[in-house]
Amino acid sequence: SQQGEEDPQALSIQEGENATMNCSYKTSINNLQWYRQNSGRGLVHLILIRSNEREKHSGRLRVTLDTSKKSSSLLITASRAADTASYFCATDIEPSDLFYSGGGADGLTFGKGTHLIIQP
Amino acid sequence: DAGVTQSPTHLIKTRGQQVTLRCSPKSGHDTVSWYQQALGQGPQFIFQYYEEEERQRGNFPDRFSGHQFPNYSSELNVNALLLGDSALYLCASTDLTRNTEAFFGQGTRLTVV
Repeated sequence: SQQGEEDPQALSIQEGENATMNCSYKTSINNLQWYRQNSGRGLVHLILIRSNEREKHSGRLRVTLDTSKKSSSLLITASRAADTASYFCATDIEPSDLFYSGGGADGLTFGKGTHLIIQP
Repeated sequence: DAGVTQSPTHLIKTRGQQVTLRCSPKSGHDTVSWYQQALGQGPQFIFQYYEEEERQRGNFPDRFSGHQFPNYSSELNVNALLLGDSALYLCASTDLTRNTEAFFGQGTRLTVV
């Protein structure tokens, strides 16, 4: 099962507009991360927000976290054509999704992502 | 800083064959995780290596195995390949003691025919 689910699945906006993507998750988390993926290549880490934080900024990115609603949002302001990509939220994998765990850092669980298209 | 590097970038194998994928973690990172990403899906956690041992494993069959070397680099091996193993395989590294975010490589695109 997937812990995080992004919404919408696809989003197309004009260059210069703001893009908002949402992520919902199921169980308690230590932190939540957002990643970007261009054309099926590697994932680029965008931002990490810890469970005791409510909002975090990085350049044109703004992430919010509402642990009571088990949701997060990623806002990209003043979008550019280069922002066209798939965006994923990731949380610590649920123990029920592990065959076993012997300690160490937690693996991540991802949703299916939001495919963002910025129209020039 | 070279970041996370994976090899090869693309690979075509025949059903039933075996494949080995390689990953070098980001400098200073000691933990390597492997993910499988099917087309149109998010990455799925396969397993994680730390101190040359498998520490966590997702729900993948034992056809999927791995190894971590003393220099922290890692290999993913898949035996008896199935058509459904066709996917992008991603390696991620972290620094366990500092609990940093995971950095991903560019992936290996495996096609099983």
